[in-house]
Amino acid sequence: GNSVTQMEGPVTLSEEAFLTINCTYTATGYPSLFWYVQYPGEGLQLLLKATKADDKGSNKGFEATYRKETTSFHLEKGSVQVSDSAVYFCALSSTSGTYKYIFGTGTRLKVLA
Amino acid sequence: DGGITQSPKYLFRKEGQNVTLSCEQNLNHDAMYWYRQDPGQGLRLIYYSQIVNDFQKGDIAEGYSVSREKKESFPLTVTSAQKNPTAFYLCASSLGQGTAEAFFGQGTRLTVV
Repeated sequence: GNSVTQMEGPVTLSEEAFLTINCTYTATGYPSLFWYVQYPGEGLQLLLKATKADDKGSNKGFEATYRKETTSFHLEKGSVQVSDSAVYFCALSSTSGTYKYIFGTGTRLKVLA
Repeated sequence: DGGITQSPKYLFRKEGQNVTLSCEQNLNHDAMYWYRQDPGQGLRLIYYSQIVNDFQKGDIAEGYSVSREKKESFPLTVTSAQKNPTAFYLCASSLGQGTAEAFFGQGTRLTVV
């Protein structure tokens, strides 16, 4: 079945450091891929998405490229801020039959001033 | 403003009681979902509905029930059969087709006392 694997956290970085959070997926067909962010005690907010191979999603300085050959969708940011501290979830939407979303286990990011 | 509203934000339940979590959306979305989130874990799908008067079990449906009598509403009942109900519950909705992303509510934290 479909699945999403994320690197385990927590990830601790200093402000202005480069961020990479790895995400790989297993799916049949051509799923859409998403990154969501969750702040403490809140729901998930869409950060970015990509809907086909080689698409690059971007938002608020974050980027991720849909790599079909490596089944990956790694999240990157060139210079993190303290306000980026949150939990990040990689997800995919199923491509056949019923339409639902499958999430990774989340990666906690802590940015120190 | 369009969005998803979950209520209440915090809920306390005595053992042996059923409780119902509310989820309402005004996004005109066909599909709605309930997820459970436990500390340090990802989101696990409880139930989902792609159209009014129809819903399907997710990965952890035991001890839960839902209804979808109106497009805007997808309440979740946590029954006394759910042995470990303390968790953070998230409701989401989407267009349920193509490349659409899911939109999330702010969540309900349920605690059994």
